[in-house]
Parts: sequence; C-alpha cells; structure tokens
Amino acid sequence: GQNIDQPTEMTATEGAIVQINCTYQTSGFNGLFWYQQHAGEAPTFLSYNVLDGLEEKGRFSSFLSRSKGYSYLLLKELQMKDSASYLCAVRIPLSGSARQLTFGSGTQLTVLP
Amino acid sequence: DTGVSQNPRHKITKRGQNVTFRCDPISEHNRLYWYRQTLGQGPEFLTYFQNEAQLEKSRLLSDRFSAERPKGSFSTLEIQRTEQGDSAMYLCASSYANNSPLHFGNGTRLTVT
Repeated sequence: GQNIDQPTEMTATEGAIVQINCTYQTSGFNGLFWYQQHAGEAPTFLSYNVLDGLEEKGRFSSFLSRSKGYSYLLLKELQMKDSASYLCAVRIPLSGSARQLTFGSGTQLTVLP
Repeated sequence: DTGVSQNPRHKITKRGQNVTFRCDPISEHNRLYWYRQTLGQGPEFLTYFQNEAQLEKSRLLSDRFSAERPKGSFSTLEIQRTEQGDSAMYLCASSYANNSPLHFGNGTRLTVT
C-alpha cells in the first residue's frame, strides 16, 4: 500500500515562517508535488521535486530527501491568504507510461494576525 | 486557457438514482484523471485516461462507477445506484505530459440523500 503522512493542522502568525513536513512510503517514486487548496476550491500546484534538494519559488520552497522518504514545504513571510490546506502528493509509476498522483490527507494551516 | 471545467458544480440526488458528471480538460492536455475527495482528506485516485484510452482504474472503485472519454477530449463519470457513501467532491484534473503537474477543476459536489 501507499502511505503519505503529514500533520493534520498547524497554526502560525502572519509574517512568520512555517515548515510543513511530509513523509512517504510508496511502491514507487516519480516525483513529489505540493498543492494548496482553499476551502471549496480546486487544489492548485505549488511545487515539484524529483531530485534531492531544495526548490525555491518566491515565498515558497520545497525540499526532498528520497533516501529518507521525506519532504517539507517552507512558507516565508506568511500572509492571511496562506490559510489553506497543503497537500503532499507522490507520483507513482503505474503500468506502461502511466503515472498516478497519490495524496496525503493534507495539513490545514491557519495564519493568525 | 480557460482551465479545467466541471459541471454541474453541485448535484443532490436520492439514493438509488444514477448521476453523470462532465469534465472538460485544458484543450492541449491528453491526460485526464478523476479523483474523489471527502472532507478533511486528500483527493483519492479513481481513474486515468490517456487520450481516449482508460489506462488505469482504482481497485477500490466499485463497478457502479464508470468513466468514458470517447473522443479524447471531454470525459464523463457516471455513478449508478448511488449510495450515501458516494457523497463527496469529484475532481477532474488534466496534464500535458507525464512529468507535468496536474491542473484541477473546481469539482462537482455530490450529495446523496
């Protein structure tokens, strides 16, 4: 089976930095994605890691260690609009060229003033 | 680029009825995915199309569920003899290639009474 773990909830203060961790144990690995989802809306793509290391994209950075089955999403200079669910997802090879994105349950981040 | 479009946005139906949802992916995307999401959980993979071919279907998916993508463009997801446990958000996503991120639609929220 596939197992992707992330904390259920986190709270942080506006202007601060927050790190959301994700650990995974999957039958294969073809990349790790982070998505943001506001309540009642579609998940939107934030970042993608396929090799070990840090990927930086403005206020958002994502880190991957494949040997440890571990990733984190780092959000800097938090804003109220960053309050949302953050989904960690692992792309798993299927038969042939098919790929499947398997999601964790999401981390609900609340940013306080 | 109008994004992934899904309709209806909301569907309320009585137990035992059949329902059908439609998804129009981003026009140049040949890969299309259906996911289901319940409150507090991440999206759960249902099925995957590459062009008109259905290449993968979740083993967790009941045979009451069927999906089609007849011309390799829009897709439909049908649920027959709906049950209360089918109540969820049904998300459609599309992508251009195996290594590109999924773009999600806003989903169809199904309520079975």
